[in-house]
Amino acid sequence: GQNIDQPTEMTATEGAIVQINCTYQTSGFNGLFWYQQHAGEAPTFLSYNVLDGLEEKGRFSSFLSRSKGYSYLLLKELQMKDSASYLCAVLDSNYQLIWGAGTKLIIKP
Amino acid sequence: DAGVIQSPRHEVTEMGQEVTLRCKPISGHDYLFWYRQTMMRGLELLIYFNNNVPIDDSGMPEDRFSAKMPNASFSTLKIQPSEPRDSAVYFCASSFPGEAGVSYNEQFFGPGTRLTVL
Repeated sequence: GQNIDQPTEMTATEGAIVQINCTYQTSGFNGLFWYQQHAGEAPTFLSYNVLDGLEEKGRFSSFLSRSKGYSYLLLKELQMKDSASYLCAVLDSNYQLIWGAGTKLIIKP
Repeated sequence: DAGVIQSPRHEVTEMGQEVTLRCKPISGHDYLFWYRQTMMRGLELLIYFNNNVPIDDSGMPEDRFSAKMPNASFSTLKIQPSEPRDSAVYFCASSFPGEAGVSYNEQFFGPGTRLTVL
């Protein structure tokens, strides 16, 4: 079967750095997405990785290792507005997006 | 562009009633997706369309659910009859294709319809 694992919940402090991990087992791989979803709102796109390595975009970076079936989202200089759920999703061999359950990130002052 | 538009934003209905959710994708996007999100099951893909044609409806939970896309700017998701377990947030998303005609570009989500079936 297809499976994506992420921690259910994480807590971090304002101004700090947090890393949200995602491991996946899917039938084929055509890229990995990270989305952010604030409570009561729709998911919004953060990043897309298809090659191994780190993609940096401002305070957010996303890393991928295809051989390990592993990705992480790194958030630096955390702000209170970063409190949200972060969804990992993998595009499988049929170009279908398989979604993880999401990681709820709580930022404390 | 106004983004993906969904209506209604909230729907409360009684068990057994018919529910119709509506979606207007972003102009120029060839792909349209219907999702359901609950605390227990997370985000689930129900069905998606490419150029108004349903491509994969394997996520549609049962025959009570149906979706149509009569033109490039409008889609509906219908539940008939509705049941309490259908209570969820239903999202519509759209995207345009990437290279080689496959949709690996980001999906743009609408604000969702929060459905409560009593």
